[in-house]
Amino acid sequence: AQSVTQPDIHITVSEGASLELRCNYSYGATPYLFWYVQSPGQGLQLLLKYFSGDTLVQGIKGFEAEFKRSQSSFNLRKPSVHWSDAAEYFCAVGATQAGTALIFGKGTTLSVSS
Amino acid sequence: GAVVSQHPSWVICKSGTSVKIECRSLDFQATTMFWYRQFPKQSLMLMATSNEGSKATYEQGVEKDKFLINHASLTLSTLTVTSAHPEDSSFYICSARHFRASGRNEQFFGPGTRLTVL
Repeated sequence: AQSVTQPDIHITVSEGASLELRCNYSYGATPYLFWYVQSPGQGLQLLLKYFSGDTLVQGIKGFEAEFKRSQSSFNLRKPSVHWSDAAEYFCAVGATQAGTALIFGKGTTLSVSS
Repeated sequence: GAVVSQHPSWVICKSGTSVKIECRSLDFQATTMFWYRQFPKQSLMLMATSNEGSKATYEQGVEKDKFLINHASLTLSTLTVTSAHPEDSSFYICSARHFRASGRNEQFFGPGTRLTVL
C-alpha cells in the first residue's frame, strides 16, 4: 500500500539551530515527492519537490531535501531555523503517472524556541 | 502562474443547510481537480477526484450524496456540502492538476475554505 510516514509528531528546535524533519514513504515505483508547510488557519505552501535527477533538492526559505532511494526517505533540512519557521510540515508523495492525488503524511509540528 | 483560488475562504452555516465551495484555476486549465478535507491538527485526506465533464470519483467512506462535486468547466469545480451537520465542520482544500503538466503529477493547491456548522 502507498503511504507516507512522518515519525516525529512534534519537534522543538532552538532558533539558529539546524533542523531535520524525517519522511519515509512506501511506494511501488519511483514517486514524486513534496514538502509543504502550513501555518495555522492557512493553506499549503510548497517548499520543494523531487521529480527526478539530482537527489538533493533546493527549495524556498533556505530548505533542502534529499531523496534516498535505498532508504525510501525524503528528509527535509534547514541549516539555521528562524522563529518564523514554526508551522506544520507535511511530506507528500504522488504517482509518476498524471492525474492521481497526493498522499500526505500526518505532519510534523515545528516549534522554535528562543 | 498556476494560481488556484477558493471561495469563500470561510463560511458559517446552520445545521441542515447546504453550502457550496468553489475552486477555480485562474491562469490554467485543469482537467482534474481534487478535494481534500483537513480536520484540526490532522493531515489532509482525499475526498474525491473531479474530472471535467464526468462524474467525480469518491474515496471510500465519503458520501457522494452528501458531498456533491461538479466540474463543469476546465477552470471550475464546486463542492456542495448538503444538509450540513456540525461534524462536517472542517477545512476543505482543493487542488488542480495543471493541464500542460503531462507526465508529471504537479498539483497546485487553493488556500482552503473553513466551514463551521452550528
